[in-house]
Amino acid sequence: IAGITQAPTSQILAAGRRMTLRCTQDMRHNAMYWYRQDLGLGLRLIHYSNTAGTTGKGEVPDGYSVSRANTDDFPLTLASAVPSQTSVYFCASSDSTGGRDEAFFGQGTRLTVV
Amino acid sequence: SQQGEEDPQALSIQEGENATMNCSYKTSINNLQWYRQNSGRGLVHLILIRSNEREKHSGRLRVTLDTSKKSSSLLITASRAADTASYFCATGEGSNYKLTFGKGTLLTVNP
Repeated sequence: IAGITQAPTSQILAAGRRMTLRCTQDMRHNAMYWYRQDLGLGLRLIHYSNTAGTTGKGEVPDGYSVSRANTDDFPLTLASAVPSQTSVYFCASSDSTGGRDEAFFGQGTRLTVV
Repeated sequence: SQQGEEDPQALSIQEGENATMNCSYKTSINNLQWYRQNSGRGLVHLILIRSNEREKHSGRLRVTLDTSKKSSSLLITASRAADTASYFCATGEGSNYKLTFGKGTLLTVNP
C-alpha cells in the first residue's frame, strides 16, 4: 500500500543520547517535512526538503538535523536529546511539482526524553 | 512564529448544526489547505484553495479565501458526531514548498 511510514512508533530515550527517527515514502513525492506537535502549540515545522539533496530550516530547527540522500527517505536526527524534545513527531510528503500540494502524513513517532 | 492561526481554539456544537472555523495568516501564500486530525492520529488532507480562488466546495465542506484580509474560513454543514476532531489550516509559501500549520481548532459535535 502506497504511503508514508515512520519508525519507531514510540520511543523512550535517555537525555544526551542520539536518536534518528526514520521516514520513508513510496509515492515519489519531491517535498518532505518534519513537524513536532505539542499540546496547545499545534504543528511546528522543524525541517523540510524540496527535493533530494536539498534541505531547509523550519520554525524550530535547533537540536535537529536532517538529510535527503534520495527521494524516498528523510531521516530526522537528534544529536543529543533533551527533555524539551519530548513530543510527537510527524513526517509528511507532498507532490509540489505536480501542483497537487496536499501533504500526506505518517502516523507519528511519540518520543519521550527522560 | 507560526504562519496560520485558527479561531476559535475550541468549538462545541450539536449534531446537524453548521461549524465554522477561521484561519488568519501573515505572509503571501500560494495556497491554503485544511487538514483534520483525529485524536492520536496523523493529519488527513481535506481541501486546498489556491491564492487565485475565492471559494471551493467538497461535499459538506466549503472553504473561502480572502487574500486581501489574509484569512480563510472552513464551513462544515450538517455536522455529525464523526466530525469531532481537530482542524488545522496550513499555508504553502513561495517556491520553497514550505508548508506551515496553525495551532488548530478542536471541534466537538455532540450527538
